[in-house]
Amino acid sequence: DQQVKQNSPSLSVQEGRISILNCDYTNSMFDYFLWYKKYPAEGPTFLISISSIKDKNEDGRFTVFLNKSAKHLSLHIVPSQPGDSAVYFCAASVGGANSKLTFGKGITLSVRP
Amino acid sequence: GAGVSQSPSNKVTEKGKDVELRCDPISGHTALYWYRQSLGQGLEFLIYFQGNSAPDKSGLPSDRFSAERTGGSVSTLTIQRTQQEDSAVYLCASSSVSGSTGELFFGEGSRLTVL
Repeated sequence: DQQVKQNSPSLSVQEGRISILNCDYTNSMFDYFLWYKKYPAEGPTFLISISSIKDKNEDGRFTVFLNKSAKHLSLHIVPSQPGDSAVYFCAASVGGANSKLTFGKGITLSVRP
Repeated sequence: GAGVSQSPSNKVTEKGKDVELRCDPISGHTALYWYRQSLGQGLEFLIYFQGNSAPDKSGLPSDRFSAERTGGSVSTLTIQRTQQEDSAVYLCASSSVSGSTGELFFGEGSRLTVL
């Protein structure tokens, strides 16, 4: 049973445009959400996180939005750059930061020059 | 080194053999996780160590899988009598409990291929 769902396996956007990566979850106990980025042959690296007490968190070009009623979060990248091309994983936990993470299957983002 | 180190980076084995995968976490990190990523799948939680607490083994897929963490540092994931479905990239991650973001630091993974 997939508790964290990333239903779109891939996304392609033009350089300079906005990338919107979506994630849905089913477990209402999740209270902390993270996005990780993964390049081929490397381990995932942390990108940005958000607590369930917030609905938005911004860090430079990256913004995560959380809609608890819809059990949905999204990652916005503006403007998109070719170096952003990677696999993006959504993850969630119960009990805040420093708890076991449940990951989605990932979305492959391709940013075209 | 400063990051999470895993070995071997690649392992090819025959069905039925035992394998050991090693993880050396970031110094001072009290939490250590094992995940695996099978082809086309997300990261599947396997096991979680936190300090001296009993590990959370709820993600281990069968009793052929076990893990130890000695001295609160290095961890070994052991797979006995490997099967073809065990083929995956096994990722280790560590984190500091005092960290505020919940950030896990991942190693580069050990790619296991069972023939």
